[in-house]
Amino acid sequence: SYVLTQPPSVSVAPGQTARITCGGNNIGSKSVHWYQQKPGQAPVLVVYDDSDRPSGIPERFSGSNSGNTATLTISRVEAGDEADYYCQVWDSSSDHFVVFGGGTKLTVL
Amino acid sequence: QLQLQESGPGLVKPSETLSLTCTVSGGSISSSSYYWGWIRQPPGKGLEWIGSIYYSGSTYYNPSLKSRVTISVDTSKNQFSLKLSSVTAADTAVYYCASQYEAGYCSGGSCYLVPQRFDPWGQGTLVTVSS
Repeated sequence: SYVLTQPPSVSVAPGQTARITCGGNNIGSKSVHWYQQKPGQAPVLVVYDDSDRPSGIPERFSGSNSGNTATLTISRVEAGDEADYYCQVWDSSSDHFVVFGGGTKLTVL
Repeated sequence: QLQLQESGPGLVKPSETLSLTCTVSGGSISSSSYYWGWIRQPPGKGLEWIGSIYYSGSTYYNPSLKSRVTISVDTSKNQFSLKLSSVTAADTAVYYCASQYEAGYCSGGSCYLVPQRFDPWGQGTLVTVSS
């Protein structure tokens, strides 16, 4: 089955830039979607199709995808960005279809 | 704007069948652009996709759960449902329903439409499996 690998945790000071990676075999050939989940809340889509933002998501959230790594970048990090972040792809090659990464806990120092 | 709401029992006994319904408002479940999905999250753990359904009844299931899962759709009620049989404590989780936008996917030189991103999600409902 297709596996997406995320670092368990990332820490960043307020105002700095956070980068959360999502590794997968030739992930650059797939569309990657990113979700933010705050404690006790449902996930919210923050980036889709590698680098597009849904309406209402700040421009501080951006994404890129190439080779074996996709990256969610959060610029000028705020305390309110502290959350778990998950990447997700569709993969038909393995019958697992929808695959989520294990999630990354973003801590704002 | 689409809104989804899960409903169903919060407690299910081991070996029984978990049944949940998701009610869609603000749009039609028969929209050609969307699939409708179920995702779960055990306490303190990550997200696990369960399966997705199109309004026509076409489904995709997680192979690790496929033998126990049935997802169905009721277009007259603008609802879709999840049944998970023979549950154990390992099935204790927050269960989410979500709309899943259909978009292009290319593989092996061919491109076709598949369910891609989940947006929006329901608020989730905790289902505990315990006697």
